Formats: sequence, structure tokens, C-alpha cells
Amino acid sequence: EVHLVESGGGLVQPGGSLRLTCTASGFTFYNYWMTWVRQSPGKGLEWVANIKEDGSEKKYVDSVRGRFTISRDNTKNSIYLQMSSLRDEDSAVYYCARPLWAYYGGFFDSWGQGTRVTVSS
Amino acid sequence: EIVLTQSPGTLSVSVGERATLSCRANETVNSGYLVWYQQKPGQAPRLLIYGTSIRTTGIPDRFSGSGSGTDFTLTISRLEPEDFAVYYCQQYVNSPVTFGRGTKVEIK
Repeated sequence: EVHLVESGGGLVQPGGSLRLTCTASGFTFYNYWMTWVRQSPGKGLEWVANIKEDGSEKKYVDSVRGRFTISRDNTKNSIYLQMSSLRDEDSAVYYCARPLWAYYGGFFDSWGQGTRVTVSS
Repeated sequence: EIVLTQSPGTLSVSVGERATLSCRANETVNSGYLVWYQQKPGQAPRLLIYGTSIRTTGIPDRFSGSGSGTDFTLTISRLEPEDFAVYYCQQYVNSPVTFGRGTKVEIK
């Protein structure tokens, strides 16, 4: 059974940093693109970033490019989201998501339970 | 980016009735790249349909998807109590992947 567990969320001041972790199990992790999606009451569901199976490609939504960095460690079955220069509008529940098919990035059949990030002074 | 507009925002339906949810894109979406999710309070989204009309494993056949071009529809033929939730469409034909704002299906 596919299992994704996010951690690292919390309360941070504007301009601060936070690192999210998603640890996966139950599938061949190194065969899958992995994605971060966030959800806030104000903006709904928003794709944030994804990373190719071997980490050689990374893509970001415009609003986080230059501030967030996605990475992965296939030896630990984990992906990470390093978030810096955080803004109020980054407050959301952050989900880790896996696509339905290996070597494919577009849509997601497995999601973690989410980790909440609150940016506030 | 492709903007997906879902309507109505809220749909009030009785158990056993039919629900029809709309997802309209501001530019053409190849039908292979349109998916639907269901989300219940406190839970992550759950994939229902991909490729406009293909149900994921375990999704009952009362859920069906249709459409092409810029107009897509999710139909729930006979609502069961467990179907009351928020439904989102998503496209991935263009980067970035985008989601609609959702339709809440509530008990009438």
C-alpha cells in the first residue's frame, strides 16, 4: 500500500524559512516524479513544485520560484521542500503527492495527510 | 496558465438524485489531460476520474465524466450519503498544473 507522510510544518514569521519532508513507502520511489501541492482557503488547491525521478528536473509555480527548492533523496525515499522568504500567502496545508503512473507527472492518485504551514507574526 | 472555472459553487442535492458538476477551461484542454478529485473534510483529495472519463480503481460506476475542448462534466447518477463532498477538476496539458476552485455537493 502506498503511504506518504509529510512533516515539518508549523508556525513561522514572515520572511522566515521552513523545510518540509515527505517520506514514502509501498512503491518503487525512484521511478516516480513527486509533487508538492498546497491548499489554502483563499486559493484552493495549488500545484507548487515537482521533481523528476532522478532529481534532474525540477519545476515550480511562478509564485514560489526563487524562494522554494524541491529536492529528493532516493536512498531515503523522501522528498523535501525548502521554503524561504515566506509570506502570509504561503500559509496552507502542504501535501506530498504521487502520480498514478511511474515516469509520469501529471495527476495524482496518492496523497499524504498534509502538513500545515502558518506564516504569521 | 489554464484557468478552470467550476460551477456551481455549491450544489444541494437529495440522496438518490443526480448531480451534474461543470468544469470550464479558458483554453482547450486535451481530454486526456482532465481529471476529477473528491475531497472530504480533513482528508486529502482522492482521484476519481482521469482522461476525462476513466474511473480509477474502486470508484463506483455512478460516477462518470465527459466533455471535450473547454467544457467538462462530472455526473453522479444517484447520490449516496458518502458522496457529499467537494469535487475538483484539474488539468495537466499545460504547465503549471491547475485546479478548479471546487464544487461542494451538500445534502438538500
